[in-house]
Amino acid sequence: GQNIDQPTEMTATEGAIVQINCTYQTSGFNGLFWYQQHAGEAPTFLSYNVLDGLEEKGRFSSFLSRSKGYSYLLLKELQMKDSASYLCAVVDSNYQLIWGAGTKLIIKP
Amino acid sequence: NAGVTQTPKFRVLKTGQSMTLLCAQDMNHEYMYWYRQDPGMGLRLIHYSVGEGTTAKGEVPDGYNVSRLKKQNFLLGLESAAPSQTSVYFCASLAGNLATDTQYFGPGTRLTVL
Repeated sequence: GQNIDQPTEMTATEGAIVQINCTYQTSGFNGLFWYQQHAGEAPTFLSYNVLDGLEEKGRFSSFLSRSKGYSYLLLKELQMKDSASYLCAVVDSNYQLIWGAGTKLIIKP
Repeated sequence: NAGVTQTPKFRVLKTGQSMTLLCAQDMNHEYMYWYRQDPGMGLRLIHYSVGEGTTAKGEVPDGYNVSRLKKQNFLLGLESAAPSQTSVYFCASLAGNLATDTQYFGPGTRLTVL
C-alpha cells in the first residue's frame, strides 16, 4: 500500500530552527508537496520538489531525496504565526495526491 | 477574484438526512476535488473531476455522489447521512496537472451527523 509518515507533533522555540521530516512509500513518484494548515483553515501551498536537493524560499526550505523516499521542511527564525500543521503529500504514478496525516508544530515564546 | 468558495461553512444533520455541498471556483480551473479531513488522518480524496461533465471516484467514495454540470461548480451529495460522515470537507481546484500546478483549497465545510 501507499504510505506517508510524518511526526504527529513537534515543539520549538520562537527564533529557533525546526526540521519536519516526511518519509514515503508510494506507487511511483511525480513530486512532493508541503502545505501549511492553520487550525480551522484550509491548507495553503508552501513548496514543491520533484528533483533531489534543497529548494529555498525565504525562511522555509524543502529537501528531497528520491532514492531514500525522504523529504524535510526546514523552518528558520521561527515566529509564533508558524504554529500550524504541516502536510506532506506525494504525487503518485497516477498523478493522484497521497497525503500524510500532518505534523502539528507548536511554537513557544 | 474569490478563488475557491464552499457553501455552507457549517451544517448539522440527523442520520438519514440528505444534503448537497457546493464548491465554486472562478479561476477557470479544469480539475476539481472533494476531500474529507478527519483528526489524525491525512486528507482523503472522495471524488474528483478532470473537466466539465466528468467525475471519478477517489479513495473513499462510498456514501457520496458528485456532479460537475458547469466548469466552475462541483457538487458533493450525501444521500443518507451517517455519523461516520462527520468530518471537515475541503474542495480544491487545479489548473493543469499536479506536476506543474498546485491545488487551491476552499475554506472547508464542517459537517456533523448526529
